[in-house]
Amino acid sequence: QSALTQPASVSGSPGQSITISCIGTTSDIGTYNYVSWYQQHPGKAPKLVIFGVIHRPSGVSNRFSGSKSGNTASLTISGLQAEDEADYFCSSYTGKTNLVVFGEGTTLTVL
Amino acid sequence: EVQLVESGGGLVKPGWSLRLSCAVSGLTFDDAWMTWVRRAPGKGLEWVGRVKSKNSGGAIDYAVPVKGRFTISTDDSRNTVYLQMNDLKTEDTAVYFCITGFCIGNDCHWDDAFSIWGQGTMVTVSS
Repeated sequence: QSALTQPASVSGSPGQSITISCIGTTSDIGTYNYVSWYQQHPGKAPKLVIFGVIHRPSGVSNRFSGSKSGNTASLTISGLQAEDEADYFCSSYTGKTNLVVFGEGTTLTVL
Repeated sequence: EVQLVESGGGLVKPGWSLRLSCAVSGLTFDDAWMTWVRRAPGKGLEWVGRVKSKNSGGAIDYAVPVKGRFTISTDDSRNTVYLQMNDLKTEDTAVYFCITGFCIGNDCHWDDAFSIWGQGTMVTVSS
């Protein structure tokens, strides 16, 4: 099972918005509305910020939003803050032997 | 509050075995599905395997790269989930995380959205 494709890095200035893409296939993102996004700060465990493509867990800022079109999912962070600087991973359920596939991760730098 | 605490990582040689433990508090294996994922140095996360809750039948599934070498099990008396890793390869070098999902009412996300993570335990396979 190939990993989902994410850009290696994105950057933005405080207050700006950025979008991270996550490209899959018809076997995962294109078929299932089970896309999640995780934020990981260095040395910390990942934190779920989006599930079910568009849903935010309780406690996650509404500056985080998710969407999907075809085989591509996206995470948008608006009103960038310094604390948003982290690695971001997407994932999708696949229904296959490898039940979940993850993206390679995107490093967000807040300039 | 749900907490997951992994232990058991270390440095081993190719072909050796290692057993990781994940001590679980705040939930039981009657209801929760437990998953292991890993992150190799410089790489993204990789799903390793999952055990369903007892109430869901307890089935266990493994990723292709580890099938036949890794075994997931649970111990109710210790509220611990294990990952027994045999015939370890250098490509198994990674931080291993024990994780689980959640339910909102009857809408459960055990296999697609992982809200609880342990701190991870490092496994290094090197000669």
